[in-house]
Order: sequence, then structure tokens, then C-alpha cells
Amino acid sequence: AQSVAQPEDQVNVAEGNPLTVKCTYSVSGNPYLFWYVQYPNRGLQFLLKYITGDNLVKGSYGFEAEFNKSQTSFHLKKPSALVSDSALYFCAVRDGTYKYIFGTGTRLKVLA
Amino acid sequence: NAGVTQTPKFQVLKTGQSMTLQCAQDMNHEYMSWYRQDPGMGLRLIHYSVGAGITDQGEVPNGYNVSRSTTEDFPLRLLSAAPSQTSVYFCASRTPGTGAPYEQYFGPGTRLTVT
Repeated sequence: AQSVAQPEDQVNVAEGNPLTVKCTYSVSGNPYLFWYVQYPNRGLQFLLKYITGDNLVKGSYGFEAEFNKSQTSFHLKKPSALVSDSALYFCAVRDGTYKYIFGTGTRLKVLA
Repeated sequence: NAGVTQTPKFQVLKTGQSMTLQCAQDMNHEYMSWYRQDPGMGLRLIHYSVGAGITDQGEVPNGYNVSRSTTEDFPLRLLSAAPSQTSVYFCASRTPGTGAPYEQYFGPGTRLTVT
């Protein structure tokens, strides 16, 4: 069965420091992977996706994600965190049909 | 483009009442989905539709009904509300293509409380 795991409920990072939000997946076949961000009282916004090709995917707001097939991971990264990056981040995988499976979310808190 | 719109934003129901959550999109997307978001559970798929007249169940369909008479609208009906249905509900849409991983566009959500 397809699944996504986000092992950290919350990640704290100081402003200006690099950040990483972790995601691991289990899927049969080629994985289609996504990161979404949710700001308070808002819907989810698409950040980036991995289809195929380069293992480093660049997305919106300076975020990027690194696909690692051997470790079945798709970690979200940003070189220098901003206070405005504080939000809830979801990793998702498409299961090869119409459905998307979401992780439980990681709350990122960037401290000034 | 308004994108994906949802009404109402907030709703309080008593146990046993019924109601319809509205969702509309103006992007001509064929695929639409309903999710519920609960703390520590992430988003779980309730029902989805791959086009007008075609719907199917997701992970947690019990207690919910959907229909898709037009491309634009995908209402979610709660048949007899229960406290376990207290949640935040999101509607999403995307362009079709099982072979291509198109991203989903989400509405702002409906926060439902059942007492």
C-alpha cells in the first residue's frame, strides 16, 4: 500500500538558518511526490513536485526538495529560513491512479 | 479566475442535522476531490470525481454523499451529522491525466462543528 510519513510533528529553526522538513514514502512503481504548504486558516498551496529527472527540484518561495530513491525520501529544504515560512507543511504522493495520499503534516516554526 | 471556492466558511450543526457543503471551480478542471483535515491525521480523501456524472469513494466516505452534475460544482452532503464529523473540509481540483502528476488546487476550507 502507498504511504507517506512525516516523522516530525514540529521543526524549529532560527531565522537565517537552513531548514529541512523530512518526508519518506512507500509506493509501487515510479513515485510522483509533492509538497504543499498551509498557512493559518487557509487552504493548501502547491510548493513543488517531483516527476522524474533531476533529484533536486526547485519550487516556490525559495524552497527545494531532494529526491533520494535509495532512501525513499523527499525532504523539503530551504537555505535560509524566514519567519514568514512558519506554516504547516504536507508531503503527498500520488498512488498511480486518481488519488493522492498526504502525510500528517509538519509544523515549521521559524524563530526571529 | 476565482480558483476553487467553498461555502460556507464556518458552520455549526446539531447531531442528526443534514447540510451541504458547496464547492465550485472556474478552471475547467475535470478532477475534483473532498478531503477532511483532522489534527494529527493529515488530509484524508472522502470522495472524488473524475468528471461530470462520475464519482467514487475515497478513504473515509461513510456519512457523506456527493454528486457531480456539472464540471464546475462538486457539493458534499452530510446526511445525518455526527460529532465525529467535526473537522475542516477542503475541496480540491486538478487537470486530468493519470499519466501526469498534476498538482491540486485547494479551496479555503469549511470549518464544521457538530454538537
